[in-house]
Amino acid sequence: DIQMTQSPASLSASLGETVTIECLASEDIYSNLAWYQQKPGKSPQLLIYDASSLQDGVPSRFSGSESGTQYSLEINSLQSEDAATYFCQQHHDYPYTFGAGTKLELK
Amino acid sequence: QVTLKESGPGILQPSQTLSLTCSFSGFSLSTSGICVSWIRQPSGKGLEWLATICWEDSKGYNPSLKNRLTISKDTSNNQAFLKITSVDTADTAIYYCARQLPGGFDYWGQGVMVTVSS
Repeated sequence: DIQMTQSPASLSASLGETVTIECLASEDIYSNLAWYQQKPGKSPQLLIYDASSLQDGVPSRFSGSESGTQYSLEINSLQSEDAATYFCQQHHDYPYTFGAGTKLELK
Repeated sequence: QVTLKESGPGILQPSQTLSLTCSFSGFSLSTSGICVSWIRQPSGKGLEWLATICWEDSKGYNPSLKNRLTISKDTSNNQAFLKITSVDTADTAIYYCARQLPGGFDYWGQGVMVTVSS
């Protein structure tokens, strides 16, 4: 199975700041990576697909990038509504696997 | 407008078979490139992919569930199904179905809570 090591597990940031969340794949997943946002009591929402493509309707302050097997989600100009848990997920090969999640709190 | 909705028994006993239904609208599972997947999430924990079924009837399963899973579809009625045999308390979770395009899970249902308890 492809392991997705996500970091950090949690972070706290202030409104207007920029934060970065990372996922390291245990092998090459050829950009087959998605990022999701999940708020308490809600279903996950797709933010980024194919490592760097912004899903329709998602604010442009969210962006994705990659370097080798390291994938990053950057959130610029943090807003209060960005407080959530973020997950990465590889869809290169079965079994699809998710990162453990990053809980983002706003100070 | 794409929507998905899961339904299930709510509560069941250990060793029973869990049967879940995903009823969807706004797309067809006979359209090339479209799949439906099941994902679950124990309370307060992360996401676990369970199974996927695609338009041409290909299927994928999570081997960690040791052959307990069966996914199927009814294209005419816009439904997908998941069965999990021999459930135990570790199967207690929110179960989601999601539409899967080549890039990821772009639409999710609201989830259905399943509790396994004697």
